[in-house]
Amino acid sequence: KAGVTQTPRYLIKTRGQQVTLSCSPISGHRSVSWYQQTPGQGLQFLFEYFSETQRNKGNFPGRFSGRQFSNSRSEMNVSTLELGDSALYLCASSLNGGAADTQYFGPGTRLTVL
Amino acid sequence: AQSVAQPEDQVNVAEGNPLTVKCTYSVSGNPYLFWYVQYPNRGLQFLLKYITGDNLVKGSYGFEAEFNKSQTSFHLKKPSALVSDSALYFCAVRDEDTDKLIFGTGTRLQVFP
Repeated sequence: KAGVTQTPRYLIKTRGQQVTLSCSPISGHRSVSWYQQTPGQGLQFLFEYFSETQRNKGNFPGRFSGRQFSNSRSEMNVSTLELGDSALYLCASSLNGGAADTQYFGPGTRLTVL
Repeated sequence: AQSVAQPEDQVNVAEGNPLTVKCTYSVSGNPYLFWYVQYPNRGLQFLLKYITGDNLVKGSYGFEAEFNKSQTSFHLKKPSALVSDSALYFCAVRDEDTDKLIFGTGTRLQVFP
């Protein structure tokens, strides 16, 4: 089975712009979670989508949003980018969702905000 | 609140020697514990998971982890380290109140030839 894929792999944006990241889960997986990884804060949970519904969310401002499509693919959007949004954004998919279910991660999208 | 701690920022080991990467946790109920590995410029790769049952969990690439309830630990082990094992290792625990995965700060493993 193909693994989790994320596009693009690298992005450079300027402050104030918005960005959309895409994630395709493993075939058959219905849950997609997003994480932000930074050297200072480590791995932080953004949100989880299951069957097109946001199932859980972390403590991030409303500038961070996401959605899931009927084929389980997910997108994450960040509006009004700030310098502090520079990070590796990781997507993970799992079969049934929830933190007890094993999550399989994609390679990440490296976002740099200038 | 549930939490997980990785007390060592870096572990150095010679190739061929056994390795241990430490993890301690704090949960109020039954723990769901995970180990992941991250290679440079890559995402996290799943190594193994503890739900219940045997205290020794076997995972990918020859890794195993020992669950110790009395010490609230879940240390990652490998009998013989390889240079290619050099990477960043994360322990994670399920927060049963929020149903989120909480990750440790990571331990960098360096295996020297």
